[in-house]
Amino acid sequence: GQQLNQSPQSMFIQEGEDVSMNCTSSSIFNTWLWYKQDPGEGPVLLIALYKAGELTSNGRLTAQFGITRKDSFLNISASIPSDVGIYFCAGQLSSGGSNYKLTFGKGTLLTVNP
Amino acid sequence: GAGVSQSPSNKVTEKGKDVELRCDPISGHTALYWYRQSLGQGLEFLIYFQGNSAPDKSGLPSDRFSAERTGGSVSTLTIQRTQQEDSAVYLCASSVTGLAEQYFGPGTRLTVT
Repeated sequence: GQQLNQSPQSMFIQEGEDVSMNCTSSSIFNTWLWYKQDPGEGPVLLIALYKAGELTSNGRLTAQFGITRKDSFLNISASIPSDVGIYFCAGQLSSGGSNYKLTFGKGTLLTVNP
Repeated sequence: GAGVSQSPSNKVTEKGKDVELRCDPISGHTALYWYRQSLGQGLEFLIYFQGNSAPDKSGLPSDRFSAERTGGSVSTLTIQRTQQEDSAVYLCASSVTGLAEQYFGPGTRLTVT
């Protein structure tokens, strides 16, 4: 089956620093999604990417859909304490009219020191 | 509008007992998914419902697990004869047909003692 490798597994940064994390896949995806999960909560959708090469921003977050369709990157600029949490990438192979399951990375745990 | 809701938020049960977990998706979302998240792990797909189509049960780990979706809305995940390895957070998500974005509920934390 499809495998998603997400790195780094964890990050410890100082408030104000920029952060970068990525996911790579053994096969192509047609859609990449990035989620954030706070303790005791479900994942919250941050950014969705639908096209190879696409670069999309959501406030201080920027994500890119890799040209090869096998990878995606998430950058957070000027981190703040509330950025703490687990960030997950997810890929979906199906496109067009059919929904289907997402394949998730194992997550990047981000800790921000004030 | 209201998001995905799940109940109970926490469930502690004894090994061997049956449990039922409930998911109420976002109104109008025809697709519904169940995932399992073990401590420190990513999300493991369990089952997928799309409208009136037969569900995709390919992720269910054993025949002790089953799920149904009545009236195309609320879904119930049932685990029979629970085992300690069933302890995890069970997440439900819903989406609009044709879109990849899935919206998650807060999850049910299941502890089997």
